[in-house]
Amino acid sequence: QVQLQQSGPGLVKPSQTLSLTCSISGDSVSSNNAIWNWLRQSPSRGLEWLGRTYHRSRWYDDCAVSVKGRIIIKPDTSKNQVSLQLSSVTPEDTAVYYCVRGGAGTTAGLFDSWGQGTLVTVSS
Amino acid sequence: EIVVTQSPGTLSLSPGERATLSCRASQAFGGGYLAWYQQKPGQAPRLLIYGTSSRATGIPDRFSGGGSGTDFTLTINRLEPEDFAVYYCQHYDDSPPWTFGQGTKVEI
Repeated sequence: QVQLQQSGPGLVKPSQTLSLTCSISGDSVSSNNAIWNWLRQSPSRGLEWLGRTYHRSRWYDDCAVSVKGRIIIKPDTSKNQVSLQLSSVTPEDTAVYYCVRGGAGTTAGLFDSWGQGTLVTVSS
Repeated sequence: EIVVTQSPGTLSLSPGERATLSCRASQAFGGGYLAWYQQKPGQAPRLLIYGTSSRATGIPDRFSGGGSGTDFTLTINRLEPEDFAVYYCQHYDDSPPWTFGQGTKVEI
């Protein structure tokens, strides 16, 4: 059974970088059958997909247009983790952030395992 | 990008009753790639239904999904106290971005 354990600060100052880590157990970040996503949830934006990384003979990543240019999602194969960095944050980035596993092929967007969520507040 | 819209926003019911939640897609899609998630306060969403009607591991059979084309439903038979939550539908496929409906709250 897959477990995703998130860690990282819950308070970030405006213009700084939000950084979160997701530790994976029960699966491999390098799996050819999984995709590692970050989503967030806020009252104003609902559930929002932010981006993903996955391995299919090489590493791939892509992201939502809304955060393009500010987001980095990286695997750490030595620790079996995936990380999220979101730069130049504003109060509009205040949300609960989730690390989420997706499948392969047509189930890439099917989210079957979720981290516990991290409330990140952007405030000075 | 297919957008899904849920109705109603809130459903007020009693334990033992049946809940019927609706999800409408902006266009028809093949493969039945429609999922439902349950979210309780302070918790992450949990996958309930995928492929329109297949229950995820450990989901009781009082939860059922159906539909086709652009109209889909989640039915919860004989509501249990632990079923009062927010439910989201989502069209999924192999290509992002993926979006969710705005949610239906099932309340007592």
